[in-house]
Parts: sequence; C-alpha cells; structure tokens
Amino acid sequence: NAGVTQTPKFRVLKTGQSMTLLCAQDMNHEYMYWYRQDPGMGLRLIHYSVGEGTTAKGEVPDGYNVSRLKKQNFLLGLESAAPSQTSVYFCASSYEAAVTNYGYTFGSGTRLTVV
Amino acid sequence: GNSVTQMEGPVTLSEEAFLTINCTYTATGYPSLFWYVQYPGEGLQLLLKATKADDKGSNKGFEATYRKETTSFHLEKGSVQVSDSAVYFCALSDRSGAQKLVFGQGTRLTINP
Repeated sequence: NAGVTQTPKFRVLKTGQSMTLLCAQDMNHEYMYWYRQDPGMGLRLIHYSVGEGTTAKGEVPDGYNVSRLKKQNFLLGLESAAPSQTSVYFCASSYEAAVTNYGYTFGSGTRLTVV
Repeated sequence: GNSVTQMEGPVTLSEEAFLTINCTYTATGYPSLFWYVQYPGEGLQLLLKATKADDKGSNKGFEATYRKETTSFHLEKGSVQVSDSAVYFCALSDRSGAQKLVFGQGTRLTINP
C-alpha cells in the first residue's frame, strides 16, 4: 500500500531552470493538494484539484503551474525557478467529503533548493 | 478568512514532563480541527482530530478538546517521551468547497532524556 508517493525526494536547480514534481496516489482519492513548507510559515497551499482535469489556485500560486490529467497523478511545475522557491514541497490527497472527518494523507516531501 | 495560530516554539522539555501546545483558530461556520505530527525527514501524519464542539480527540497519549467558546484546540500530553520529539501542526478544515486544510506555523518540540 504505497499511499502518496512524491518524486524526486531532493533536487537542486539553478535559477531559471524548470522542473516538474510528481505526486502519485493509489487510494482513488478525488482531492489532491500541493503545499510548500517554509520555516516559521507552516504549510501554505499552492494549488489543488477536486478531480481529474480540474485545478485551482491556492494561497501562493505564483510561479507554479499544475496539471491533473489522470486521477492518480498531480503534477507541480516550476517554469523558471527562483531562489524564493527553495522549500519543501508536500503533496496530499483525500476522498471527497472525507477531509472533515479524516484530514489528508501526505507524501514524504520533496526538498528543492534553487541556487 | 480562516486562520490558525500556534504557540511559538521551539519547546524543550525533559522526559516525563507535561506538555501543552496552544492552538487557537478563526473560522466561519463550524470547522473540523486536527493535530498533525511531522517526525524528522518525514511527511505529516494525522495525530488526532475533533469534528464538533466539545469533542475530545486522543491518540498515543495526546489529547485535545474542541473549545468553541474560546476557539481553541490545545494539545496536551501528561508524560512526554524522547520519541515525541517532532514538529506539531494544528489545522482546521472549513467544510466548504474543496475542504482545504489551513495550517498553523508549527511548533518544534524537543524532549531531552
């Protein structure tokens, strides 16, 4: 039972480079989320999706794009990385209408450094 | 908008000490409340939850009671262990739309033997 899997686990980018973070879940969850975690800031929502083919902006969407072409995958893209995007990125998922009672299932994170 | 405020860390205690981590929230309606724990190098794990006023969530010796009158959800444990060292996050879910979780800033707890 893999749960939520994030790849890669670590990455170092140069300013201006692009990359895609992959989140895959095998629980048939409808809802998926991308958060970033920064010291003293907690977790802030970047983008989220309530189903295949849908995406929406969260609290801090600038500089990121997302896609959800398949229900099990949620991709987070950085088109032109900036040092301010150095962070730990977490993906999470949930059944529709289950968040209230059960919260999210989180991946183990991707630590991204932009130099 | 919805928000969660946690006591600032870091918090350092000796083994077997009593723990309280304060959490207060601002929300419209009746949110569900959660505590998550993050051990070093790992993702967040649900520790406990409460879905309505006066509910008490509990797990692994930790407890928190949903206090609507004081908009609080303080985390407590009677006797902490070294293995409880982690970062603790308070969060709420507002039950609307995509039911997004809003997190506090996290409190780093270190337990010394």
